Amino acid sequence: DIQLTQSPSFLSASVGDRVTITCRASQGIRNYLAWYQQKPGKAPKLLIYTASILQSGVPSRFSGSGSGTEFTLTISSLQPEDFATYYCQQRNSYPITFGQGTRLDIK
Amino acid sequence: EVQLVESGGGLVQPGGSLRLSCAASGFTFNNYWMSWVRQAPGKGLEWVANIKPDGSQEYYVDSVKGRFTISRDNAKNSLHLQMNSLRAEDTSVYYCAKLQGTSTIFDYWGQGTLVTVSS
Repeated sequence: DIQLTQSPSFLSASVGDRVTITCRASQGIRNYLAWYQQKPGKAPKLLIYTASILQSGVPSRFSGSGSGTEFTLTISSLQPEDFATYYCQQRNSYPITFGQGTRLDIK
Repeated sequence: EVQLVESGGGLVQPGGSLRLSCAASGFTFNNYWMSWVRQAPGKGLEWVANIKPDGSQEYYVDSVKGRFTISRDNAKNSLHLQMNSLRAEDTSVYYCAKLQGTSTIFDYWGQGTLVTVSS
């Protein structure tokens, strides 16, 4: 199985900050990586797929990059509604796996 | 507007069974792969199972193989998860999710239904 390791697991930041979350895969997954945002008590929401394609309706302050084994999610200027938990997910091979999550809190 | 509404969760004893359902609307259900993803309380996301649009192919995570069965009724735009031999570690919120095209990208999710396995 492909393991995804996100770093950091917890991140404290302020409104307006630029933040980056990293997702590392245990083996190459080409660009078959997606990012999701989840708020407490809510379902996850797709942000980015195929490493860098922004899902329709997602603000342009979100961006993704990477290929192979290392990927990043960047939020260029944090907004109050961005404080949430973020997960990466690989679809290169079954079983589909998620990272352990990165919780983004307000500083 | 895509809508996915899960039902069927509840409290069940270890070894028991439960059948989850997901009512889909707002898209052509029989054109898309569908999935179940779960989340244990306070934990991360875990993919459970996928099913092909015509129901002819299924995939499962190892931990549920032989115990869970994913199925669909395209005439009723519904997805199901039959869960047998339930264990305490199956306790989770179960989400129904639509897959994007022929990929395994979860582009729409339901609100989830809680399954608690406890005596």
